[in-house]
Amino acid sequence: DTEVTQTPKHLVMGMTNKKSLKCEQHMGHRAMYWYKQKAKKPPELMFVYSYEKLSINESVPSRFSPECPNSSLLNLHLHALQPEDSALYLCASSQRRAGYNEQFFGPGTRLTVL
Amino acid sequence: SQKIEQNSEALNIQEGKTATLTCNYTNYSPAYLQWYRQDPGRGPVFLLLIRENEKEKRKERLKVTFDTTLKQSLFHITASQPADSATYLCALGGQNFVFGPGTRLSVLP
Repeated sequence: DTEVTQTPKHLVMGMTNKKSLKCEQHMGHRAMYWYKQKAKKPPELMFVYSYEKLSINESVPSRFSPECPNSSLLNLHLHALQPEDSALYLCASSQRRAGYNEQFFGPGTRLTVL
Repeated sequence: SQKIEQNSEALNIQEGKTATLTCNYTNYSPAYLQWYRQDPGRGPVFLLLIRENEKEKRKERLKVTFDTTLKQSLFHITASQPADSATYLCALGGQNFVFGPGTRLSVLP
């Protein structure tokens, strides 16, 4: 299984809502990533987990809260978002964070904040 | 300041020709460089990785070069096909991992 899955595919939420994005991989990868991608822009790295520990937080606002319950799962908890947070949220995984590793990306969750 | 540039936002070429995409960077010292393909509404797909001590890598119709003196990578698609139409992203890796802005390639039949 060389797939990264993400749920839901689409999410519409109000600024006062709390929601979560989910990501799963069964490739035995030990590094997992969250990216944010706005239209016609490249993906921007938000969080990196390596061996279930948060190793990089690229100064992301606290209204985004990542969680890595185990080596196969990655969640992104959303609370009090702003309309400018509307974007495609991509999850990725790689064998390890350190070293020369290709990343496998999921299809993304299209988030709209009203 | 740090910057990654890819030759142009959009590139149109005729089917059968070789597409050449460039990735230039400033104030980075990447240990490796990767190229990804992204189709609209989908996640990027890994294509090739080249290390700082390698000059060239090939995979089927794809070729990538890496010149750390010029701070540039070139990505070639030979015998291009309409199915190669997509956005191509370079990404620098090492201490950090960051994508370039991408080039939208259109291969015209």
